[in-house]
Amino acid sequence: QKEVEQNSGPLSVPEGAIASLNCTYSDRGSQSFFWYRQYSGKSPELIMFIYSNGDKEDGRFTAQLNKASQYVSLLIRDSQPSDSATYLCAVPDYNQGGKLIFGQGTELSVKP
Amino acid sequence: DGGITQSPKYLFRKEGQNVTLSCEQNLNHDAMYWYRQDPGQGLRLIYYSQIVNDFQKGDIAEGYSVSREKKESFPLTVTSAQKNPTAFYLCASSFPGDQPQHFGDGTRLSIL
Repeated sequence: QKEVEQNSGPLSVPEGAIASLNCTYSDRGSQSFFWYRQYSGKSPELIMFIYSNGDKEDGRFTAQLNKASQYVSLLIRDSQPSDSATYLCAVPDYNQGGKLIFGQGTELSVKP
Repeated sequence: DGGITQSPKYLFRKEGQNVTLSCEQNLNHDAMYWYRQDPGQGLRLIYYSQIVNDFQKGDIAEGYSVSREKKESFPLTVTSAQKNPTAFYLCASSFPGDQPQHFGDGTRLSIL
């Protein structure tokens, strides 16, 4: 059974700080990794994806991938109260049509 | 604007009744997926379809049925055999391969 693990939190950071969200995965053959943001009562929204080892930056978001350690992280710089949400790490399972295996999500709270 | 449209936003089911949730996309995506999310829990795959007129069961298909007669449409029927249907239902779609899935706004189903 392929698994994706995240700390459930809640993770609380002050406004303007860096929030660090972590995710580990069990399938060493995984090639692509996605981060979704889900506000309470809403559907998941894709915010980052990464395929290669190293860092990928998009605005205030940076995804970091280390395939040797089977670890992917999401950094949010200059955190804003509007970033308060649950962040879901997801990995495709190509044995089941590319279905996404989701972690349980990390709840982030940014305090003004 | 391209996107995924789910309807209705809220749905109530009576005992013994079948209900159908609509999912339409105009992104020209080949693959479509149905997930279920229960409060405080992760997303679980119900059914997926990679091409028209073909679909496969996911992890929790019992009590559900789907069809894929058009590329744009992937309706989900919750049958009376699904004894615990109250949940948030999410439809997603993607291009094949290592491409991220995009989600509709979801349908909340409750029992009357």
